Amino acid sequence: DGGITQSPKYLFRKEGQNVTLSCEQNLNHDAMYWYRQDPGQGLRLIYYSQIVNDFQKGDIAEGYSVSREKKESFPLTVTSAQKNPTAFYLCASSIGGIRNTIYFGEGSWLTVV
Amino acid sequence: SQKIEQNSEALNIQEGKTATLTCNYTNYSPAYLQWYRQDPGRGPVFLLLIRENEKEKRKERLKVTFDTTLKQSLFHITASQPADSATYLCALDPPQAGNMLTFGGGTRLMVKP
Repeated sequence: DGGITQSPKYLFRKEGQNVTLSCEQNLNHDAMYWYRQDPGQGLRLIYYSQIVNDFQKGDIAEGYSVSREKKESFPLTVTSAQKNPTAFYLCASSIGGIRNTIYFGEGSWLTVV
Repeated sequence: SQKIEQNSEALNIQEGKTATLTCNYTNYSPAYLQWYRQDPGRGPVFLLLIRENEKEKRKERLKVTFDTTLKQSLFHITASQPADSATYLCALDPPQAGNMLTFGGGTRLMVKP
């Protein structure tokens, strides 16, 4: 089935560690996104990419990094510079451009221990 | 910047009644507005898109209205069911190409049997 796969579903990070969240899509979508959602809050954009080998910062990019080496993959690294990383992370994609309907993955929970 | 307001308090209704959720926005008028459903611990799922020149859009038991004068969208679920219980997010398109959809904080709907 076509869709967006995020892994792992649950991830624990120790203080000072970098962790990488995986996001793969087989929808042949051009644009991909990473959002962060805190409990009871809306979605905040971290990074987005419209084409391979290109990406832009969103509203809360500090402490995060991404890469887009393949059309179907858009991994997110949460670095030790992110002081409050505990949150629900959502990867998404859309057809053709960044103003279209967005399709989301199932999300990844990151907890700092 | 665009500000989107959705009622942060949960909406509790009885099964069979019509649920009405509100999305208010300030500043610019978007060309279109989208509604998403999000279940706990899952990614949002697209429901409906309504354009600025459409006053109303329907899909099965769902109805969305868009009043650009009031800067408001209403989302209705008729004959509500317990399975409709979820958080509903509205999202507005950006004023310029190259910008991102802006999401509201969502309203949680609880339908009691």
